[in-house]
Amino acid sequence: KAGVTQTPRYLIKTRGQQVTLSCSPISGHRSVSWYQQTPGQGLQFLFEYFSETQRNKGNFPGRFSGRQFSNSRSEMNVSTLELGDSALYLCASSFPKDEQFFGPGTRLTVL
Amino acid sequence: GESVGLHLPTLSVQEGDNSIINCAYSNSASDYFIWYKQESGKGPQFIIDIRSNMDKRQGQRVTVLLNKTVKHLSLQIAATQPGDSAVYFCAENSGGSNYKLTFGKGTLLTVNP
Repeated sequence: KAGVTQTPRYLIKTRGQQVTLSCSPISGHRSVSWYQQTPGQGLQFLFEYFSETQRNKGNFPGRFSGRQFSNSRSEMNVSTLELGDSALYLCASSFPKDEQFFGPGTRLTVL
Repeated sequence: GESVGLHLPTLSVQEGDNSIINCAYSNSASDYFIWYKQESGKGPQFIIDIRSNMDKRQGQRVTVLLNKTVKHLSLQIAATQPGDSAVYFCAENSGGSNYKLTFGKGTLLTVNP
């Protein structure tokens, strides 16, 4: 069974730009969660999508948004990038079981 | 100001020894806990989980212990191998959903051959 895939793996953007990251969950998984990992704050929950609906949300500004498609693939978007958005963005898929399986992440660098 | 990186607790063990990694969780209402392993350049890898109606669960070479009285979680790794070297995170469903996890700061485990 293929694991969670994320594209792109690496991305360099400049301040003020926007970015879209993609996540394909494990086949059969219907929930996709997104996390941000930084050296300063560790792993922080962004949001979770299930059946194309945002079901849970973390404490991030509205510049961070996401969506899920009918095939369970998910995208997250960050608008008006700031230097502090530089991070490893991880997605995890799950359901019906609770175990969340993570992808390799997208490393975003904002210059 | 400049953000300071998290100061990770570290644990250094000899190959073949048993390792114990500890975690204090934050929310007494949490009822689902997970241990993840993260190697450099990779995403977190699921190791084992436990629900609050249990105090111990065993997997292959790993055991998780849960003490709800003091909000403490531990991961025991038997016969630690060099491939176990990684950062280990505990996570809890403090947001009330098993799909919204709160992660601890992590512990760096180094296994010396």
